[in-house]
Amino acid sequence: DIVMTQSPDSLAVSLGERATINCKSSQSVLYRSNNRNFLGWYQQKPGQPPKLLIYWASNRESGVPDRFSGSGSGTEFTLTISSLQAEDVAVYYCQQYHSTPFTFGGGTKVEIK
Amino acid sequence: QVQLQESGPGLVKPSETLSLTCTVSGGSISDYYWSWIRQPPGKGLEWIGYIYYSGSTNYNPSLKSRVTISVDTSKNQFSLNLKSVTASDTAVYYCARDLNTNSGLDCFDPWGQGTLVTVSS
Repeated sequence: DIVMTQSPDSLAVSLGERATINCKSSQSVLYRSNNRNFLGWYQQKPGQPPKLLIYWASNRESGVPDRFSGSGSGTEFTLTISSLQAEDVAVYYCQQYHSTPFTFGGGTKVEIK
Repeated sequence: QVQLQESGPGLVKPSETLSLTCTVSGGSISDYYWSWIRQPPGKGLEWIGYIYYSGSTNYNPSLKSRVTISVDTSKNQFSLNLKSVTASDTAVYYCARDLNTNSGLDCFDPWGQGTLVTVSS
């Protein structure tokens, strides 16, 4: 299985400041045949299902604010919230879909400082 | 706008079988892979397995011996059976669709709202 490791477990950021979440995979999730990283990012608020934010590591899902961006390749990835808003308080998960069983990171809780 | 809704008992006794159904509305179940994912209270996400509308399946090896996922295209539904449950199977169970058609290696969007299943006598 591909193990996904997120850091930090939690972070507190002031409103309007940048939040950065890291995700490492135990093996590469890049398919060289199409040069795509099979990596997604989700946001989960209390009592709600996860919401897809980013796919192919850096493609923003329709309707997702452009303050959310994804980057990275191979085994190291980053989700950045460029200017934290109150509604961004949530737990964020990365997920690899390079191979089954699909696996998720342990989550990063983002709070307001 | 495709919507997914989980249904089934909220309480299951230890050693019995957990059975849930996901009803797909606003679109066809055809041409997509459909997954079950669970989340124990206060914990992270675990992929249970998927089914293609044609009936082919892929299960997480950690649960494979206890899991069956089936599809009923006439009802636009797919189902999860998890047998011999224990307290560690207590979780919110979500159904979800692949983002893209005919993929199988994909992220998940949309998701159902989830249903809490508690295993207790």
